[in-house]
Amino acid sequence: ETGVTQTPRHLVMGMTNKKSLKCEQHLGHNAMYWYKQSAKKPLELMFVYNFKEQTENNSVPSRFSPECPNSSHLFLHLHTLQPEDSALYLCASSPQGVVLNTEAFFGQGTRLTVV
Amino acid sequence: ELKVEQNPLFLSMQEGKNYTIYCNYSTTSDRLYWYRQDPGKSLESLFVLLSNGAVKQEGRLMASLDTKARLSTLHITAAVHDLSATYFCAVGTGTASKLTFGTGTRLQVTL
Repeated sequence: ETGVTQTPRHLVMGMTNKKSLKCEQHLGHNAMYWYKQSAKKPLELMFVYNFKEQTENNSVPSRFSPECPNSSHLFLHLHTLQPEDSALYLCASSPQGVVLNTEAFFGQGTRLTVV
Repeated sequence: ELKVEQNPLFLSMQEGKNYTIYCNYSTTSDRLYWYRQDPGKSLESLFVLLSNGAVKQEGRLMASLDTKARLSTLHITAAVHDLSATYFCAVGTGTASKLTFGTGTRLQVTL
């Protein structure tokens, strides 16, 4: 257990559905991240939030919409996805602020299948 | 654009043998991280290397960083089956945890 919890663990959705992924951490961290892990590709950073403010959007299509209501929670809202969006979506958090150079702690991931 | 390359991509080794995984990166950074991922599981942090010449060891794993060569190594000593997993290196740039990951090395330790 890393202290970062993601729900659901598995999700199957149609291309016309709307769903949301949830990430929660109670580590007192101020930065949260969404990563995408596809088969045979490196982990791709999608979004970064620092102190609830989005500081990075790595050219992610608008069908992925992040939301960070507070430093402990991060959502990824999904709509009109494509089959190629099927992947493992990993949430991570890190202390940030004055505490630099620490590793990110990852959640267990949500395995997403778009049909 | 930062590129992080790992080799080999797949490694099958016998128990008791030694081997090294290499991680090369293309731009200046002094923050290098190693993670382990078991099938269907999340990423587990192994090592954080923050300076040139840094060396860290945990059990049968030892990681080092040469920032001038832009190279990190993960050395496995006397491998055991429990080490079978995928190992990722990640380079930190900009904000502390904006990590760029390598493609991973899938390690299989056989009896």
